[in-house]
Amino acid sequence: AQSVTQLDSQVPVFEEAPVELRCNYSSSVSVYLFWYVQYPNQGLQLLLKYLSGSTLVKGINGFEAEFNKSQTSFHLRKPSVHISDTAEYFCAVRSPGGSYIPTFGRGTSLIVHP
Amino acid sequence: KAGVTQTPRYLIKTRGQQVTLSCSPISGHRSVSWYQQTPGQGLQFLFEYFSETQRNKGNFPGRFSGRQFSNSRSEMNVSTLELGDSALYLCASSFLTEEMNTEAFFGQGTRLTVV
Repeated sequence: AQSVTQLDSQVPVFEEAPVELRCNYSSSVSVYLFWYVQYPNQGLQLLLKYLSGSTLVKGINGFEAEFNKSQTSFHLRKPSVHISDTAEYFCAVRSPGGSYIPTFGRGTSLIVHP
Repeated sequence: KAGVTQTPRYLIKTRGQQVTLSCSPISGHRSVSWYQQTPGQGLQFLFEYFSETQRNKGNFPGRFSGRQFSNSRSEMNVSTLELGDSALYLCASSFLTEEMNTEAFFGQGTRLTVV
């Protein structure tokens, strides 16, 4: 069975500061990893994904994430956040060839202050 | 290419009533999944349909049901509504081959309020 832990339920940060949202997963097999963003009363939008290859993945809106197999982590980073980045962020994992249903973390609320 | 479309966007129902939510997946996507999102429980998987068959099911009571039509459109039904069913219901579609499928694409959701 897979699981995803998002270590912070809420991350407050000032505008133009860097941010890291943490995600750890557990799985006995290889994984695909995803970060989604959800704005208020909207669905989830894919930010980036790791399937294979380079462990540093770049996504939309200036976000990037690094897959660390030894630490089973997939932390999301942005060097300088904007007010518009205020949203809920979800980390998800699924196994290639297994169930196509991803397992989601509980989400991290990123709050960007002016 | 149109995204995943969910209708209606907002719905208010009374306890004991039933409700049907609709989801039209991205053209060519044959897998449709439903999730319930609440502040307390986060994103919870309800069920997944592929080619009109339910392939996976989450841990929800039988009041929650769904179906998928031959054009891949899906409906979700909740009978005998309870206050606790108030939530954002999200639909996601996927194209199912390992070469082409990786992520799920989500609709904007239906906000159900039970009063």
